[in-house]
This record gives sequence, structure tokens and C-alpha cells, in this order.
Amino acid sequence: EVQLLESGGGLVQPGGSLRLSCAASGFTFSSYAMTWVRQAPGTGLEWVSAISFSGGADTYYADSVRGRFTISRDNSKNTLYLQMNSLSAEDTAVYYCAKAFQGRFDWWGQGTLVTVSS
Amino acid sequence: EIVLTQSPGTLSLSPGERATLSCRASQSLSSTYLAWYQQRPGRAPRLLIYGVSSRATGIPDRFSGSGSGTDFTLTISRLEPEDFAVYYCQHFGSSPRHTFGQGTKLEIK
Repeated sequence: EVQLLESGGGLVQPGGSLRLSCAASGFTFSSYAMTWVRQAPGTGLEWVSAISFSGGADTYYADSVRGRFTISRDNSKNTLYLQMNSLSAEDTAVYYCAKAFQGRFDWWGQGTLVTVSS
Repeated sequence: EIVLTQSPGTLSLSPGERATLSCRASQSLSSTYLAWYQQRPGRAPRLLIYGVSSRATGIPDRFSGSGSGTDFTLTISRLEPEDFAVYYCQHFGSSPRHTFGQGTKLEIK
């Protein structure tokens, strides 16, 4: 069974940094693109970032996070990461990792809450 | 940039009724990359439909998708109590970039 388990969320001050992790199991992690999607309180889904199965330079970002967030992966550890810098209140959200396949997100983690507040 | 507009914002129906949810794109889409998700309160989204009309693994056949070009529809033929949730359409476009609609809340009347 596919499982995705996010961690690393919490309370951070404006301007601070946080690194999220997503531990994957139940599928061949190194064969699939992965993505991060976030959901601010009481709002809809917003795509944040994606990375190809191999990683490297094949990374993609929403305009709202480009230059501040960095997606990466360690296929030897079956883990996806999201490094978030220069955080602001607008980044407060539940962050989901998801397995991507042919443009759709077929498995999702349970999410981790990031709160940016002083 | 493609914008997906879902309607209605809220749909109030009773169990057993038929639900029709709309997703309209600001420009014509590749049907291969149009998907629908269900999100129950406090839960992660779940893939329902991909490629406009293909059901994801384990999704009951009361869920169906249709459409082309700029207009797409998710239909739930006979509502079950567990179907009352928020539904999102999603498109994978060039750049590459993923876009979600703003969601339709399906509530019990």
C-alpha cells in the first residue's frame, strides 16, 4: 500500500525557514515525479512545487514560492523535501506531498501544518 | 495562465439525488490532463477522475466525468452520505504547471 508521511511542520516566525519531509513507501519512489500542494485555512488547494523522478534540475515552482522554496528528493531514502525560506503569513497552510503520474496526483499524504506567526 | 472556474460554489442536495459539478477553463485544455478530487473535512484530497473520464482505482461507478475543450463535468449519479464533501478540478499544463479550481462544496440539503 502506498504511504506518504509528511513531517517538519510547526510554528515559525515571519522571515524564518522550515524544511518539510515526506517519507514514501509502498511504491518505487525513484520512478515517479512528486509534488507539494498546500491549503491555507478555509481555502482551496494550491499547487506549490514538483520534481521529476530523477530530481536534479527538473524542478518546478508556483510563482508565489519561486526563489524562496526549494524542492528536492533523496531516492536512496525514499524521501521528498521542501525547504522553505523567507516565510510570511501567506505561507500558513497545510502542506501535502503527493505522488504524481501523468499530470495527476494519485496518492496524497495526510499533510503537515505550517503556521507563520510572531 | 489557465484559470479553472468551478460552479456552483455550493450545491445543496439530498442523498439519492444526482449531482452535476462544472469546471470551466479559461482556454481549451488537453483532456489527458484534467482530473477531479474529493476532499472530506479534515482529510487529504483523493483522486476520483483522471483524463476527464477515467475513474481512479477503487472509485465507485456512480462517479463519472465528461467534457472537452473548456467545459468539464463531474456527475455523481445517486448521492451517498459519504459523498458530501468539497470537489476540485485540476489541470496539468505547460511550464509544467498545475492549476486547481476553487472547489465546489456539496452539502446535505
